[in-house]
Amino acid sequence: KAGVTQTPRYLIKTRGQQVTLSCSPISGHRSVSWYQQTPGQGLQFLFEYFSETQRNKGNFPGRFSGRQFSNSRSEMNVSTLELGDSALYLCASSPGASTNEKLFFGSGTQLSVL
Amino acid sequence: AQTVTQSQPEMSVQEAETVTLSCTYDTSESDYYLFWYKQPPSRQMILVIRQEAYKQQNATENRFSVNFQKAAKSFSLKISDSQLGDAAMYFCARRYSNTGKLIFGQGTTLQVKP
Repeated sequence: KAGVTQTPRYLIKTRGQQVTLSCSPISGHRSVSWYQQTPGQGLQFLFEYFSETQRNKGNFPGRFSGRQFSNSRSEMNVSTLELGDSALYLCASSPGASTNEKLFFGSGTQLSVL
Repeated sequence: AQTVTQSQPEMSVQEAETVTLSCTYDTSESDYYLFWYKQPPSRQMILVIRQEAYKQQNATENRFSVNFQKAAKSFSLKISDSQLGDAAMYFCARRYSNTGKLIFGQGTTLQVKP
């Protein structure tokens, strides 16, 4: 089975632009979560999607949004980029909604905002 | 606040020796799951070990084991027979019930000396 795939691996954008990141979960997994990792704040939960519905959302401004498609692939969008949005964005998938399921992570998308 | 705390920013261990990484957490739930993840320079988060809070028996996975003290809300990771490939950043995390949301500690960078 292929693992969690995130594209692109690297992105460079300028302030004010918007960006879309993609995550393809492990085949058969219906839950996708997104995390932001920065040296200062560590790993922070952005949001989670399950069967195309957002189930949970972290404490991020409305500039951060996401969606999930019927094939469970997910995208997250950041509009009006700020320098502080520079981070590694990680996606994780799990089979369903049970707490005892393992989360499997992708290798992340490194976003640099200039 | 429901937090996860790793008090050791950096640790080092001699190859073939044993090292213990500490983690404490705060929760109001009685049933939850705890995880240790490893993040090597490749940036991919790799699940090391998982502990169900309702199980008193400590989880083990080959050279990795945990010391889970539920009353003290402590969840330490022991790595036996350390190998050079164990060098990475290690994150302790707690999963919210029935969600894909993980709360991570700040991480511990482990150096393995030959």
